[in-house]
Amino acid sequence: LAKTTQPISMDSYEGQEVNITCSHNNIATNDYITWYQQFPSQGPRFIIQGYKTKVTNEVASLFIPADRKSSTLSLPRVSLSDTAVYYCLVVLVGSNYKLTFGKGTLLTVNP
Amino acid sequence: DTGVSQDPRHKITKRGQNVTFRCDPISEHNRLYWYRQTLGQGPEFLTYFQNEAQLEKSRLLSDRFSAERPKGSFSTLEIQRTEQGDSAMYLCASSLLSYDEQFFGPGTRLTVL
Repeated sequence: LAKTTQPISMDSYEGQEVNITCSHNNIATNDYITWYQQFPSQGPRFIIQGYKTKVTNEVASLFIPADRKSSTLSLPRVSLSDTAVYYCLVVLVGSNYKLTFGKGTLLTVNP
Repeated sequence: DTGVSQDPRHKITKRGQNVTFRCDPISEHNRLYWYRQTLGQGPEFLTYFQNEAQLEKSRLLSDRFSAERPKGSFSTLEIQRTEQGDSAMYLCASSLLSYDEQFFGPGTRLTVL
């Protein structure tokens, strides 16, 4: 399974757009890119998943370039409650059962 | 609230004692997963059930660990002869299909003294 690399931490301010980039140079053809969010003392929560180009839902957007070696999670107009750890995962299509988490990116949103 | 519940939320035990955790998944989900998370790290996969069948166990799951899912509903994770290195957050997740998003419970925080 492809290894992912993302920044350990990021700082932002309320109302700003935040972009968290993840690199996955060894991603395979059948792999999807998935992002989870985790607040302290809670389990991770699925945010978004995509294969290529752009995916958008009510929470975030996911941008994946044509070579798929990286991806960017975009959080529009963050608030204090978006302070959390964000994990980028590569998951094998049809076999999502074994999620492999890295250390994630701790996003701190300041007032 | 994701619909996945875990009990207890916190457990403090002495080294050498046995502990058991319970997970109740979303009722229609037939896939159930256990993960372990230590401070500053992401969750690590421990084991996976499809209905009542345990299909995979990680090498992290030593012979002191056992998990069951009788009747394909709730699941239990037992740790025998606990060690200080077992201190962690134990997370349970469930999904409807193997490639669906996993819904995580709040976790059980284990502290071994």
